[in-house]
Amino acid sequence: AQSVTQLDSQVPVFEEAPVELRCNYSSSVSVYLFWYVQYPNQGLQLLLKYLSGSTLVKGINGFEAEFNKSQTSFHLRKPSVHISDTAEYFCAVKKEAAGNKLTFGGGTRVLVKP
Amino acid sequence: DTAVSQTPKYLVTQMGNDKSIKCEQNLGHDTMYWYKQDSKKFLKIMFSYNNKELIINETVPNRFSPKSPDKAHLNLHINSLELGDSAVYFCASSHLRVDYGYTFGSGTRLTVV
Repeated sequence: AQSVTQLDSQVPVFEEAPVELRCNYSSSVSVYLFWYVQYPNQGLQLLLKYLSGSTLVKGINGFEAEFNKSQTSFHLRKPSVHISDTAEYFCAVKKEAAGNKLTFGGGTRVLVKP
Repeated sequence: DTAVSQTPKYLVTQMGNDKSIKCEQNLGHDTMYWYKQDSKKFLKIMFSYNNKELIINETVPNRFSPKSPDKAHLNLHINSLELGDSAVYFCASSHLRVDYGYTFGSGTRLTVV
């Protein structure tokens, strides 16, 4: 079975500081990887995805993530956060031939302080 | 235009009642999903339909019954509601090839009292 672990449940960070959200997955087969953001009282919005190719993926709102196959990780980073980045962030994995099912990590709450 | 719309947005009901949540997408996607998000924000898939055919059916009590009249609609009916059913339910859609990712609705917050 595949699982997704987000190592930090909450990350406080000051405005304009960098942030990194960690995501590790377990799977013995090829996977596709995603990061979603959930703003308060809203649905989830796709930030970025890794399907194949370059291991550094750039997404919306200045976020990027790096796929590391040997460490089975897909950490999300932003060099300078804004107050508006306060939200819940979810890492998700899809295994090939998994019926298109996305399995989500437990989420990381980012709280940006002025 | 809203891409994936769910109704109602909020639903408060008593234990034992039967309720439905509706979902519609106008993106031309062929696959739709229901996810449950609990109070700790954990997201778990419940069902998935591709072109009206059930393709994912996770371990969900049979009080939950999805219905897909066409590929643009996926409704969720819940019988004999229990306190533990309180959660936010998200509808999502995608093409079966996941390259484009899922598009989520804004959620239905169900509170069972």
